[in-house]
Amino acid sequence: KAGVTQTPRYLIKTRGQQVTLSCSPISGHRSVSWYQQTPGQGLQFLFEYFSETQRNKGNFPGRFSGRQFSNSRSEMNVSTLELGDSALYLCASSPGGLAGGPRTDTQYFGPGTRLTVL
Amino acid sequence: QKEVEQDPGPLSVPEGAIVSLNCTYSNSAFQYFMWYRQYSRKGPELLMYTYSSGNKEDGRFTAQVDKSSKYISLFIRDSQPSDSATYLCAMRLSNNNDMRFGAGTRLTVKP
Repeated sequence: KAGVTQTPRYLIKTRGQQVTLSCSPISGHRSVSWYQQTPGQGLQFLFEYFSETQRNKGNFPGRFSGRQFSNSRSEMNVSTLELGDSALYLCASSPGGLAGGPRTDTQYFGPGTRLTVL
Repeated sequence: QKEVEQDPGPLSVPEGAIVSLNCTYSNSAFQYFMWYRQYSRKGPELLMYTYSSGNKEDGRFTAQVDKSSKYISLFIRDSQPSDSATYLCAMRLSNNNDMRFGAGTRLTVKP
């Protein structure tokens, strides 16, 4: 089975611009979660999408948003970029479990998109 | 105080040594505990996944969870230079995918 893929792998943007990152989950996985990794804060949860709906959200400002398509592919958007948004953005997929049920599934990460904001 | 504490190291050991990596946490509601390995410029790779307290073994890796002490460990036996990476502990509640990570421990295994 192919793993989680993320595009692009590297991005350079300037302050004030916006950016869209893409994630294709493992075939059959319906849940996609996004994480931000920085040297100072480590790995932090952004949000999770399941069946085209945001299921959980971390503590990030509204400039960070996402969506999921019917084929489970997901995109993450960051508007009005700030220098502090420079990070490795990781996508993780999992089967997703049953809506409202316990989450016993595990998450598998993609290689990440390295975003640099100048 | 951080929700998950992990010594960032760095930790350097000779090839063949037993490596012990640890994390402590403050939220007693965490139910699922994971260890990920991350090589430089790569995404984290799932190593071990355990539910609640107990031990789990997979090849050279053993994960231990002690919920009463809020303490988890990963042991690597017969360590190899290819084990050189950053090891991240992670944990979450039973009803969502919001994983909380430790800072990661950078391990170097010297030939």
